[in-house]
Amino acid sequence: NAGVTQTPKFQVLKTGQSMTLQCAQDMNHNSMYWYRQDPGMGLRLIYYSASEGTTDKGEVPNGYNVSRLNKREFSLRLESAAPSQTSVYFCASSEALVLGPIYGYTFGSGTRLTVV
Amino acid sequence: EDKVVQSPLSLVVHEGDTVTLNCSYEVTNFRSLLWYKQEKKAPTFLFMLTSSGIEKKSGRLSSILDKKELFSILNITATQTGDSAVYLCAVEGKNTGNQFYFGTGTSLTVIP
Repeated sequence: NAGVTQTPKFQVLKTGQSMTLQCAQDMNHNSMYWYRQDPGMGLRLIYYSASEGTTDKGEVPNGYNVSRLNKREFSLRLESAAPSQTSVYFCASSEALVLGPIYGYTFGSGTRLTVV
Repeated sequence: EDKVVQSPLSLVVHEGDTVTLNCSYEVTNFRSLLWYKQEKKAPTFLFMLTSSGIEKKSGRLSSILDKKELFSILNITATQTGDSAVYLCAVEGKNTGNQFYFGTGTSLTVIP
């Protein structure tokens, strides 16, 4: 099925551990995004990539790094996980860069990360 | 196949009108349905619905869930230009693990 695939679906980390969240899309979209969702809050943009080879910081980039490996894949790395990074993470893609209203995004199914 | 469908895709109304946005879903082992409003970069959370028939209300916005017919509506009364935004519906299911399914959004424009 066409869409955005995120792995893993669940992860529990200890404080200080590192991990990489993987995201791949097969719709030939140019732009990809990483968001986090915390209880009662909206989605907050962590990083985005307007096109292959470019990445930019979003609203809450601290503690994260990203890599746009190719047009399909956009990974999010936590170098030293902290409890404040406990959240649900969403990857998304779109045909063109849209930092405004996200009508027309395709979202992945989410990664629930707990840092203890 | 799990999916969330929002309608209409876009809507233009005049100030003072009442609008109803729709979200229908087919999601395995439903847990919750969430509504967001996005004007700029970050979508803002509006409502989370888990039980059928219980209306959630915040000012001029209200939402209700029908778990039998698998849909939710978001109502906005006495619309204002500040209501212009994309409204996003997301459904949380629990299949092999918790998963979220997003609709593509309804773009609402309120003209003076």
